Amino acid sequence: AQKITQTQPGMFVQEKEAVTLDCTYDTSDQSYGLFWYKQPSSGEMIFLIYQGSYDEQNATEGRYSLNFQKARKSANLVISASQLGDSAMYFCAMRELNQAGTALIFGKGTTLSVSS
Amino acid sequence: DSGVTQTPKHLITATGQRVTLRCSPRSGDLSVYWYQQSLDQGLQFLIQYYNGEERAKGNILERFSAQQFPDLHSELNLSSLELGDSALYFCASSVGTGSTYEQYFGPGTRLTVT
Repeated sequence: AQKITQTQPGMFVQEKEAVTLDCTYDTSDQSYGLFWYKQPSSGEMIFLIYQGSYDEQNATEGRYSLNFQKARKSANLVISASQLGDSAMYFCAMRELNQAGTALIFGKGTTLSVSS
Repeated sequence: DSGVTQTPKHLITATGQRVTLRCSPRSGDLSVYWYQQSLDQGLQFLIQYYNGEERAKGNILERFSAQQFPDLHSELNLSSLELGDSALYFCASSVGTGSTYEQYFGPGTRLTVT
């Protein structure tokens, strides 16, 4: 069964510092997608970044980058130059091919706290 | 704003009751997904529809059902509610149903069962 593991329940960082949020995954599929979502205290889920299993380059979206190491089955999120507004819960997710459809399976999340 | 709308935003109801949660996907998206987020279970996939047809089922209870209408909006029906059904219910949509399509989430409906 496919699985996502986020081992850091909480991370603390100061403004302007970079932070890495860890994510490892387990799958026997060759084709899969990896996603990161941000959930602020208001509750909505915000899509941040996507990495396909066949993408050779690491995905980047502004201050977010995904450090994809396929052999190690890891997909860590790197946030450069942290801002106070980055304080939120971050979820790593994998697209699972389920029957005729697809669904996201999520890790338990990491709470990021950014201080000034 | 993801473009996915969900109503109502909050819902408080009693055990044994039935509620309906509504979702409108982003314009052009054919796939709709329902997820449940609770403190003990985390974020769990419930069910997926694509262009009106059920495509995949996750950890959805028999007391729960869903459908997607011709205009592509979807409804999640929860019946015989129990205290443990209290959770944040998300709807998400994507253009297609392949593994490369990102899902955009609505703001969620917070259900409280008393």
